Amino acid sequence: QSVLTQPPSVSGAPGQRVTISCAGSNSNIGAGFEVHWYQQLPGTAPKLLMSGNTNRPSGVPDRFSGSKSGTSASLAITGLQADDAADYYCQSYDSSLSGVVFGGGTKLTVL
Amino acid sequence: EEQLVQPGAAVKKPGESLKISCKASGYSFTNEWIGWVRQKSGKGLEWMGVIFPGEPDARYNPSLQGRVTVSADKSISTTFLQWLSVEPSDSAMYFCVRIGAAGWFFDLWGRGTLVTVSS
Repeated sequence: QSVLTQPPSVSGAPGQRVTISCAGSNSNIGAGFEVHWYQQLPGTAPKLLMSGNTNRPSGVPDRFSGSKSGTSASLAITGLQADDAADYYCQSYDSSLSGVVFGGGTKLTVL
Repeated sequence: EEQLVQPGAAVKKPGESLKISCKASGYSFTNEWIGWVRQKSGKGLEWMGVIFPGEPDARYNPSLQGRVTVSADKSISTTFLQWLSVEPSDSAMYFCVRIGAAGWFFDLWGRGTLVTVSS
């Protein structure tokens, strides 16, 4: 059971917009700790996709955007492309656990 | 180019000790936190521990209950993850990660070391 809760899977057709939610609690996201997102393509290491709730590292397309509100956060992907098919993980810090916590991951399928 | 280089695999029998490595290059090793994230087959990511090589100061995931040790050798810009006695449940991919300067996120990842523990 992950501390942060994500839907196991989402899907969308090429060109569509999808969102992936990340639900936390008052000891992590709700406490003001930032949310970060990673993309893991099949058979590869995860890659930082979004840091500090809304900041895209260099090289990440602006089709990807992040938001945070209360005890939850979301990752939105617009103009869905076939190579966006991957697992996506949210991550934050938890004051009760005194450490980094991850969501369980969401598998994005591009139809 | 900033990179974290890990061996591809390690195979051990239950009860044996294990130490896996990660060599950093392209940045100042002693000025950034570095550590480890585990991923069991078909499962999600789990933070294990990090160390600040310059001091050194180590932090661990409390759920690991002291089963692993994270260390660093500044002279060779390398961090290690060590077990005194491995179990089959330790079988997983272990990623070396660097913590970003702006917060508690992982901005650089190694390709991973696949650890297999089997009799």
